[in-house]
Formats: sequence, structure tokens, C-alpha cells
Amino acid sequence: NAGVTQTPKFQVLKTGQSMTLQCAQDMNHEYMSWYRQDPGMGLRLIHYSVGAGITDQGEVPNGYNVSRSTTEDFPLRLLSAAPSQTSVYFCASKDWGYETQYFGPGTRLLVL
Amino acid sequence: GQQLNQSPQSMFIQEGEDVSMNCTSSSIFNTWLWYKQDPGEGPVLLIALYKAGELTSNGRLTAQFGITRKDSFLNISASIPSDVGIYFCAGQPSNFGNEKLTFGTGTRLTIIP
Repeated sequence: NAGVTQTPKFQVLKTGQSMTLQCAQDMNHEYMSWYRQDPGMGLRLIHYSVGAGITDQGEVPNGYNVSRSTTEDFPLRLLSAAPSQTSVYFCASKDWGYETQYFGPGTRLLVL
Repeated sequence: GQQLNQSPQSMFIQEGEDVSMNCTSSSIFNTWLWYKQDPGEGPVLLIALYKAGELTSNGRLTAQFGITRKDSFLNISASIPSDVGIYFCAGQPSNFGNEKLTFGTGTRLTIIP
């Protein structure tokens, strides 16, 4: 079991560029989510999905898109990167009805 | 959006000392979770609490669900170097695990040699 994997580990973007952060899990979890972590802010929920084909917004969804075509994958798209999106992004997954979320190692994004 | 307030924000202790930290909310939660994040890694669940007043241990860690349901506490006894990291609390409105978590701002623990 690889658990939750995220790519890339690091990324530098220029303002206005677009990119996709990849997230995959091999635990057959229905629930997947994306968080961003900023200094002194804890983790804030961006988008989440309760199963393939179903996504919903979290606390800070603006500037991000998601889709869930398979159970395993939950990519996060930045449409037009802004410096305010400089952050560490974590993907997580869990079984429906259980509390334990398994987090990926994170993607560190710098937008210049 | 709501954030949970954790205190202290950071702690500098010597190996062997006990540690206490807490988390407070303006809203009621029916599940409280405590996570630890090692440097460069994602958070890992340490303890889950489901009932007001509940006291739960995991090795040297003990967490309590406050009776008002608006706070929770984490204690670490006899700290060791691998305890270094950031500790986050998280709250959930229900006991069913299907709802969105609200995370605290974190307590960073550093052990002074």
C-alpha cells in the first residue's frame, strides 16, 4: 500500500500560469479532500469529494477546480495562479463514516 | 470560515518534561481529534474523542474532550525527541465521521537539548 501520494513535491509558478496538483490513493477510500496549510492558519479545506463524480466546495474554494473521475484520483487545478496561492497543499482520504484521514506528504507551491 | 484557537502557539521544553496544550472553539463539536505533523510530512491522527468529558490515552499522550464540548486538551508526559512537531486539534459537528473537519492553528513543540 502506497497510501496517499502527491505529485509534484515542489513547484514554482509565475502569476497567471495554470497547473494541476495530482493526488492518488490505493486504499479504495470514498472520501477525498484537499487542504491548504499556511503559517499560523492550520489546515483549511479547499474542495472535497464523497465519491467518483461527486465534488463539493470547502472553506476556501476560489481559484481552484477539482474533478473525481475515478475512486483513486482527485486532482486539484489552479486555473490562473496568484501569489496568494503560495502554500503547502495536502490531499487526504478516508473511509466513509470513519474519522481517520490519511494525508499525503504535501506539495509545496510558490507563486511568483 | 471558523478556526479553532490553540494555545500555546509554540513551546520550547527540555526532554523529559510534560507538555499541555489546549484547543477552544466558539461552537460545539461532537468529535474532537488530535493530529501530529512531523516536519515535511502530512498530519497523522493521534487520538479521537467522541463524548463530552471523555479521557483517552495513546501511550504517553492523553487527550480530554471538554465538558462544554467547546474545548479539548492534549497532554504529553515525559517528552522525548521524536515528540517534536506541530500538534493540531480538529473538530467535527457529528460522531459519524462524514462531515468536514475544522482544524486548529497548531502548537509547535520544540525540544531544547
